[in-house]
Amino acid sequence: TQLLEQSPQFLSIQEGENLTVYCNSSSVFSSLQWYRQEPGEGPVLLVTVVTGGEVKKLKRLTFQFGDARKDSSLHITAAQPGDTGLYLCAGARVGDYKLSFGAGTTVTVRA
Amino acid sequence: EPEVTQTPSHQVTQMGQEVILRCVPISNHLYFYWYRQILGQKVEFLVSFYNNEISEKSEIFDDQFSVERPDGSNFTLKIRSTKLEDSAMYFCASSTTGPLNYGYTFGSGTRLTVV
Repeated sequence: TQLLEQSPQFLSIQEGENLTVYCNSSSVFSSLQWYRQEPGEGPVLLVTVVTGGEVKKLKRLTFQFGDARKDSSLHITAAQPGDTGLYLCAGARVGDYKLSFGAGTTVTVRA
Repeated sequence: EPEVTQTPSHQVTQMGQEVILRCVPISNHLYFYWYRQILGQKVEFLVSFYNNEISEKSEIFDDQFSVERPDGSNFTLKIRSTKLEDSAMYFCASSTTGPLNYGYTFGSGTRLTVV
């Protein structure tokens, strides 16, 4: 059983469309983070959310942390080909010294 | 922008040999981590290190593995008697805070190939 379930696993959309990626768990997290990973590279931090219900915006990306701090979503508005990549959610449970990662969502934006 | 530096970028080793993977974390960070990612699989936690000792380790991090911070800048992962299944990308990361962390900075990784 995965601690963090990401869905969908793959997402292919046309340029200009919107998309949402979900990250769900039955555990409560002290913080949840979203990373983007390019092939052969390490994950790059996009955002950290720490407060239940928190919403953060990064240009066309909107991140939300669930009220119960068990889930999160990443929404991309008017996706562009440059948004293509592997998006990872990762969470730190209360008392943990580590991040647990989801399996990732591969996003492909077609021009 | 500060970076986490990992060397080498690619290491090929014979099964049974020992390898040392090196990392230079961001200078004012206090928490250090090793993760690995087997090809096509998710990023897995190996070990966290704070105040010169291991603060948490996973089931993967058995007696075959060890970490060390030999000086003020380097953070190393040693894998003894490597096995084929140790082939993976190994990522070092560092952060300013621990459990209530506000994001890790990852290095670009070392691709370890055991033949």
